[in-house]
This record gives sequence, structure tokens and C-alpha cells, in this order.
Amino acid sequence: RKEVEQDPGPFNVPEGATVAFNCTYSNSASQSFFWYRQDCRKEPKLLMSVYSSGNEDGRFTAQLNRASQYISLLIRDSKLSDSATYLCVVNAGGYQKVTFGTGTKLQVIP
Amino acid sequence: DTAVSQTPKYLVTQMGNDKSIKCEQNLGHDTMYWYKQDSKKFLKIMFSYNNKELIINETVPNRFSPKSPDKAHLNLHINSLELGDSAVYFCASSQAADYGYTFGSGTRLTVV
Repeated sequence: RKEVEQDPGPFNVPEGATVAFNCTYSNSASQSFFWYRQDCRKEPKLLMSVYSSGNEDGRFTAQLNRASQYISLLIRDSKLSDSATYLCVVNAGGYQKVTFGTGTKLQVIP
Repeated sequence: DTAVSQTPKYLVTQMGNDKSIKCEQNLGHDTMYWYKQDSKKFLKIMFSYNNKELIINETVPNRFSPKSPDKAHLNLHINSLELGDSAVYFCASSQAADYGYTFGSGTRLTVV
């Protein structure tokens, strides 16, 4: 099993739709979790950290499920500008144990 | 001011050449990284420095040599470039391992 796995997509959704991505991780000792977005030919940018109790930032909600070892990202009321690749990042403790997922591509369609 | 800046943005060079990529951060972060993103978009850690000390040195060819003159700078020198080195190289910085990273805009290296 890969350390961090994501469905590569693409997820094609109409504007205004709600879409959710999951990211599974294999190391049960993982301690910190993040979602990044990467636009085409650009650098990854931190979208949000994922806290144990779940957290929300505007239209974006991140959840952590330790029992099933996955994190999720929910995007409500999708905008065209949300089209990007969403990368999950898992830290199993220390600098050496940070792993990036390969990303889930989202395409929001007019 | 750009938080993490790397130069050059594009680099096209012939096989066998030696090239350098420079990175600077003005965020006051203690840790800097070099990542390689290949054609399949997988981001792989290459090196990391914490306060000028090498803390991550992944299995990369020894043709790649990082250098950190101070905690705000991390450069990458590549000797004897090969076709397989073509990729996008990202510099990043963070305050600590549990914090998110800030990435530079990337250097797109093409070896011909």
C-alpha cells in the first residue's frame, strides 16, 4: 500500500456543485495533515491544515478520520477558479516523514 | 516581496553541462527544501536544511549537491546533467516540520 493515496481524477463537476476528495494514508502514527492546491504549471500552495476536530474555511471543509486513516476535502458551491489539482500531505513525524500525494484533479465546468 | 524566490524560472541546457538553481526566502523560516516534480506530477523530496544543517538527503545521484550559505538561502548545483534530470524543481521553506510549506514558483529544467 502506498504511503499516501489519492484518486487522480479528473473530477468534472458543474459550477455550484459540491465535490469531495479523499486521501488515504498508511502510517497510523501520522500526526499532521494538509491540503494544497496546485494550478497548472504553478507551485503548490497551502490551502488548509487538517485538524482532528475538522475545520472549515469558507467553502472548504477538511476532515480527518483516524480510525479509517483518511482525510477529506469538501468544496461547496464550486467556482471555475477552483479548477486545480489538490494534493494531500501527511506528516508521520519529523521532516523525514512528510509525504505528498500525487493529487486529485478537479475541473469545474460552466 | 516574493516570499520564496528561485532563479532561474526556466533552464534549457545540453547533456553533460553543470548548472545551478538559487533559492531565497524572506519568511524567517528555519527549514528549506528542494523538491523534484516529474512528468507524472509526483513531488519527491531531495534535500532539506535546517538552519544551514543538512537534515534530509534522499537517495539522489551525487551529481546533485545542495548548499546553504545561511538559513535564508538554499542553492542546488547539478553536475553532468542527464536527460532524466528534466523536471520542475521547487524550493520550499517552513517554520517547522508540522507547519505547511511555502513553495517557490519552480525552475523548469529541460536537458536536451
